Amino acid sequence: EIVLTQSPGTLSLSPGERATLSCRASQTVSSRYLAWYQQKPGQAPRLLIYGASSRATGIPDRFSGSGSGTDFTLTISRLEPEDFAVYYCQQYGSSPWTFGQGTKVEIK
Amino acid sequence: QLQLQQSGPGLVKPSETLSLTCTVSGGSISSSAYYWGWIRQPPGKGLEWIGSIYFSGTTYYNPPLKSRVTISVDTSMNQFSLKVRSVTATDTAIYYCARGPADIFPPSHHWFDPWGQGTLVTVSS
Repeated sequence: EIVLTQSPGTLSLSPGERATLSCRASQTVSSRYLAWYQQKPGQAPRLLIYGASSRATGIPDRFSGSGSGTDFTLTISRLEPEDFAVYYCQQYGSSPWTFGQGTKVEIK
Repeated sequence: QLQLQQSGPGLVKPSETLSLTCTVSGGSISSSAYYWGWIRQPPGKGLEWIGSIYFSGTTYYNPPLKSRVTISVDTSMNQFSLKVRSVTATDTAIYYCARGPADIFPPSHHWFDPWGQGTLVTVSS
């Protein structure tokens, strides 16, 4: 199975700053089949990005995804207070679908 | 707007069967555009895909769970269900159902959106 490793584990930033989250795959993720989710405490995950770079419906344009092959990035251009949460990547190119372990974006 | 409503017990005894149902409203589970999936999250930990089903009954399962898991679909009730047999404490988790969209057909390669509200299932005697 494809193992996804997210880094850093925790990102401490202030509102207004730029956040860069990494997701590295143990094998090539075919056809850029990679998604990003945001999860807040006590809530279900929410889809942000699919196809590595396509924003889901209703997601602000401060969220962007990039990458291909084994290296993918989620960028939040300017952190808003509601963006502090845990972020997960998921690959769906090779079954079993797998998730990264998550990156927590916390207020500095 | 599509909504997924989960139902099922929050407490299951060891060695018994965990059963959950996800009822879809605001859309048809028989749409050819989507798979329907189950994902779980142990308390304080990350996400694990359990499996997905198509309206036709075609299923994909995560291999470590495949021998104990059955996912089924009832198109007449617009529902899909999860059964996990012979549960142990390691099956304690929040279980989520979700729709599996894709940008190809059939949608075998799918992400998850939206998600149900989640059900905390505790395995304990």
